[in-house]
Amino acid sequence: EDQVTQSPEALRLQEGESSSLNCSYTVSGLRGLFWYRQDPGKGPEFLFTLYSAGEEKEKERLKATLTKKESFLHITAPKPEDSATYLCAVRPGLTGGGNKLTFGTGTQLKVEL
Amino acid sequence: GAGVSQSPSNKVTEKGKDVELRCDPISGHTALYWYRQSLGQGLEFLIYFQGNSAPDKSGLPSDRFSAERTGGSVSTLTIQRTQQEDSAVYLCASSPGQGETQYFGPGTRLLVL
Repeated sequence: EDQVTQSPEALRLQEGESSSLNCSYTVSGLRGLFWYRQDPGKGPEFLFTLYSAGEEKEKERLKATLTKKESFLHITAPKPEDSATYLCAVRPGLTGGGNKLTFGTGTQLKVEL
Repeated sequence: GAGVSQSPSNKVTEKGKDVELRCDPISGHTALYWYRQSLGQGLEFLIYFQGNSAPDKSGLPSDRFSAERTGGSVSTLTIQRTQQEDSAVYLCASSPGQGETQYFGPGTRLLVL
């Protein structure tokens, strides 16, 4: 069974204090690992897709990396507007369920002044 | 361009009533997905449409749940004889084609009293 575990559940940072969020996964033939950002009362907003170990993608203060067992979302010099819940999801490739995403429960990030 | 839209934004209903939730995908997107997000839990896949067909209904929790899609565009998720455990946020996503990045709508918040 495909599984996604995110840690920590919650993270509080001071503005400018860099950190990383973790996403560990077990999946039958990964066909994509996705990061989304979700603000309260809104739907998830797409950030990145990673397909193979060693791949990295960047957007502003965010950088996502991927290994064979986990992904990290690095946040450099965060600002209060980066406060949100960050969701990780995987799409399996070998079990026939390749069109649905399996999500973790998210990391709730709060960045304070 | 316009994103995925969902209506209503919020729905309060009494136990035992039927509800219909609507999703308008991004124009031209052939794939459409429904997920459910309960408090403290990750997004849970419900059903996937490719065009008007639903090749994967594996996530529908019971036969009280059904969905259809017409004209390769709008989709409706129907919950019959609602129960309190159906209370959740119902999210719709669409993608340009099968297996591509999914873009989410704002969700419908359903409360069953």
